Amino acid sequence: EFVVTQSPGTLSLSPGERATLSCRVSQTMASNNLAWYQQKPGQAPRLLIYDVSSRATGIPDRFRGSGSGTDFTLTISRLEPEDFALYYCQQYERSLTFGGGTKVEIK
Amino acid sequence: QVQVVQSGAEVKRPGASVKVSCEVSGHTLFEVSMHWVRQSPGRGLEWLGGFDTEEGETVYAQKFKGRLTLTEDTSTDTAYMELSSLTSEDTAVYYCATDSGGSSVSAGYFDHWGQGTLVTVSA
Repeated sequence: EFVVTQSPGTLSLSPGERATLSCRVSQTMASNNLAWYQQKPGQAPRLLIYDVSSRATGIPDRFRGSGSGTDFTLTISRLEPEDFALYYCQQYERSLTFGGGTKVEIK
Repeated sequence: QVQVVQSGAEVKRPGASVKVSCEVSGHTLFEVSMHWVRQSPGRGLEWLGGFDTEEGETVYAQKFKGRLTLTEDTSTDTAYMELSSLTSEDTAVYYCATDSGGSSVSAGYFDHWGQGTLVTVSA
């Protein structure tokens, strides 16, 4: 099974700052089968990024996905007030598994 | 635009079964590939299973095989998730979500989600 680990658990930042979220997969991914989601309290997850670096429809370009192999990153270039939320990565290389999430909170 | 609406919250006793529905609008069930994901404080997001377009069949996560049944009623564009032999560990919010590949390919990621259904298992 592909185990997905996210770090840090919580990121405390101010609006306008850059956020860097990490996602590590337990086995090397041969293809770009990794997605990122954003979740706000009381809401379902929302697809942000798929295939490591492709933005979903309507996602602003301040969200950027990158990485390969076992290490992947979601970067939010300048945090807007609406970006403070939970973020999950998900691999779909073999079966489907999610990471434990990173909370981006206001410092 | 696809919209997905789920049935309401459920409270069940240990050992019972629960059946959650998920109605699609904007597209028919023939045009989407429906999956189920649950979320609990202790275990985060877990994929339960869904329709694999490329295999042409419903696939289940290993840990739920034998007590999870996913079905669809194409006459009403409604998908169902039934989980049996419930324990407190099954207390979670259950989501249905559509695979981004639609009916043509299995993309593996999900672009339209229901609002979630809270299932509480308690004696």
